[in-house]
Amino acid sequence: GEDVEQSLFLSVREGDSSVINCTYTDSSSTYLYWYKQEPGAGLQLLTYIFSNMDMKQDQRLTVLLNKKDKHLSLRIADTQTGDSAIYFCAESSDDYKLSFGAGTTVTVRA
Amino acid sequence: GAVVSQHPSWVICKSGTSVKIECRSLDFQATTMFWYRQFPKQSLMLMATSNEGSKATYEQGVEKDKFLINHASLTLSTLTVTSAHPEDSSFYICGGSGGLRSQPQHFGDGTRLSIL
Repeated sequence: GEDVEQSLFLSVREGDSSVINCTYTDSSSTYLYWYKQEPGAGLQLLTYIFSNMDMKQDQRLTVLLNKKDKHLSLRIADTQTGDSAIYFCAESSDDYKLSFGAGTTVTVRA
Repeated sequence: GAVVSQHPSWVICKSGTSVKIECRSLDFQATTMFWYRQFPKQSLMLMATSNEGSKATYEQGVEKDKFLINHASLTLSTLTVTSAHPEDSSFYICGGSGGLRSQPQHFGDGTRLSIL
């Protein structure tokens, strides 16, 4: 994760929007991903974006990519208690390997 | 979405035994399998990459004789932790990819390995 950084914690009220931010350093990144991990489970792919796109929306999820600043964000609309989890930002380039951030623990409070 | 089945989900065994973890892609052909290790409250650390029918490529610092990887078919990869010791206790996760740049990795549910 040294090439991908994200904040460690986010607390959000149920019903509000959550925004998780991520920065990366590899300018050759071609795909950027958001994964969700619940306690004791593997990683669930939430969404991903190709590097020539600026935005991608999928139901409650919106991904924004600022390639110039190497900044990626994930917005979760109408956050629910089931959204409490660890969210990992990841990037890949030519070698198909994923570089992960340290993960952002999202806590949804009632 | 693509499904990767990993088992066992949890194993406890004595020091010195070998443990095999299986990872199967159920609805796609996983040309490439990635094996990760995750310590508590940390990110995933890539251990090795395996392509079907080829020897695995290990990351620096990962002992290939300790962590044996087999990828004999497009739907099955195994990781065997040989002569496991308490320091090998961890959460192991596999990820499968169809090999095209547009195909993301899909992960198994992980295996929690506890060595006594």
